[in-house]
Amino acid sequence: DTEVTQTPKHLVMGMTNKKSLKCEQHMGHRAMYWYKQKAKKPPELMFVYSYEKLSINESVPSRFSPECPNSSLLNLHLHALQPEDSALYLCASSQGQGSMSYEQYFGPGTRLTVT
Amino acid sequence: AQSVTQLGSHVSVSEGALVLLRCNYSSSVPPYLFWYVQYPNQGLQLLLKYTSAATLVKGINGFEAEFKKSETSFHLTKPSAHMSDAAEYFCAVTSYGQNFVFGPGTRLSVLP
Repeated sequence: DTEVTQTPKHLVMGMTNKKSLKCEQHMGHRAMYWYKQKAKKPPELMFVYSYEKLSINESVPSRFSPECPNSSLLNLHLHALQPEDSALYLCASSQGQGSMSYEQYFGPGTRLTVT
Repeated sequence: AQSVTQLGSHVSVSEGALVLLRCNYSSSVPPYLFWYVQYPNQGLQLLLKYTSAATLVKGINGFEAEFKKSETSFHLTKPSAHMSDAAEYFCAVTSYGQNFVFGPGTRLSVLP
C-alpha cells in the first residue's frame, strides 16, 4: 500500500479563520513533507519532518504552522492567511534518512482558497 | 546545488505516436532521478525512478527512461501514446533524499 491520505479535499477560508490540513500514511515512512503548488508550477517544499522532528523549514511565513503528532500523521495549521496563499497543498512521505529508497509518495492534495 | 530543466513546457503528440519528454539535470554528486505524473486536481504519482542499479528504467503505464551520465539526461519515453497519458509530467532529482528539486514540468497533450 503506497497511499497517503489528505483531508479535507477542498477548503475555503477567510483571512481571519483558523483551519488545519491533515495528512496520514501507514507505510511506516519516517519522513513527511508539506508542499505548496500553484497552478502550472512544480511543487514548492515548505516543511520536512524526519523522525517526527522538523528538519527543514523553507522560510515559510509563521501563519503556516506544521505539527507531527506521531510517525503516521502530519498536520498543517493555518491562521490569518492571505489570498496569495490559495493553492494546492500536497503532503508526501518517504522512508527517511538511513534508507536507500528516496522516492516520495504524494497525497491527493487539499485545494485551499483564501477569501 | 542541483537543478532540473525540462525542455518544452507543452508537448503534443497524436494518439499512438511516440512520447518523448526531456529532462536534464545538474548535480555535483551521483543523483537519484524520478519522473512523476500529475493529473488535473490530483497529487503526484511516481512513474519511475533511477537509483544507479540500471541505466534503463521501466515504470508504470508503459513508460521508461534512460539515464545518460555523459549527457546529464533522463528522458522519458513511451512507444505509443494513449489519450489517458494527457497530464503534467515532472522530473525530479535528489542526492540524499530529503531535498527534491523538481523541474518546471511538461504538459503532455494527446490528440485523437
